[in-house]
Amino acid sequence: TQLLEQSPQFLSIQEGENLTVYCNSSSVFSSLQWYRQEPGEGPVLLVTVVTGGEVKKLKRLTFQFGDARKDSSLHITAAQTGDTGLYLCAGGLYGQNFVFGPGTRLSVLP
Amino acid sequence: GAGVSQSPRYKVAKRGQDVALRCDPISGHVSLFWYQQALGQGPEFLTYFQNEAQLDKSGLPSDRFFAERPEGSVSTLKIQRTQQEDSAVYLCASSDGQGGTNEKLFFGSGTQLSVL
Repeated sequence: TQLLEQSPQFLSIQEGENLTVYCNSSSVFSSLQWYRQEPGEGPVLLVTVVTGGEVKKLKRLTFQFGDARKDSSLHITAAQTGDTGLYLCAGGLYGQNFVFGPGTRLSVLP
Repeated sequence: GAGVSQSPRYKVAKRGQDVALRCDPISGHVSLFWYQQALGQGPEFLTYFQNEAQLDKSGLPSDRFFAERPEGSVSTLKIQRTQQEDSAVYLCASSDGQGGTNEKLFFGSGTQLSVL
């Protein structure tokens, strides 16, 4: 059983469209991170959210941590082809190791 | 180096062979993690070191998997008597170990292991 679930599993959109991907769990996390991974490379950290209800913006990316610290969303505005990749969420378990979700594979078409 | 370095980049092994995968973390990083990533999946935790101490090895799938970090920097993940289900990308990550909720993991590019 996955501790973290991500949806959708796959997403293919046209350049310029907006999208939201989700990360859900029944567990409470001390923090939640989002990573992007490109083929043949390791994941690269995008953001860490630590407070329930927190919203962080990184250019066209908006990250939100749920009030109960069990879920998170990533919203991309005006997607670009360079946004293509595997988006992973990872939950921090109170100073222990990070648990990763299975990822959302995003394809942005020109 | 500037980032986490892993070698080899690719490894092909015959079933039953032993393999050793190397990770050079970012200089000064006290924490080191190993993850296994199957095709199309997210990384699965294997083991964690703080300096030379292996604090958590709960994710190692069997006693064929062994990791060490004898001097608190370079780490080696060894897999004995490889099996086809061991085929995956093995990712290493390091962090400065400041810990808590803002731990930042820096990943290497991984070693892609194929067991034939």
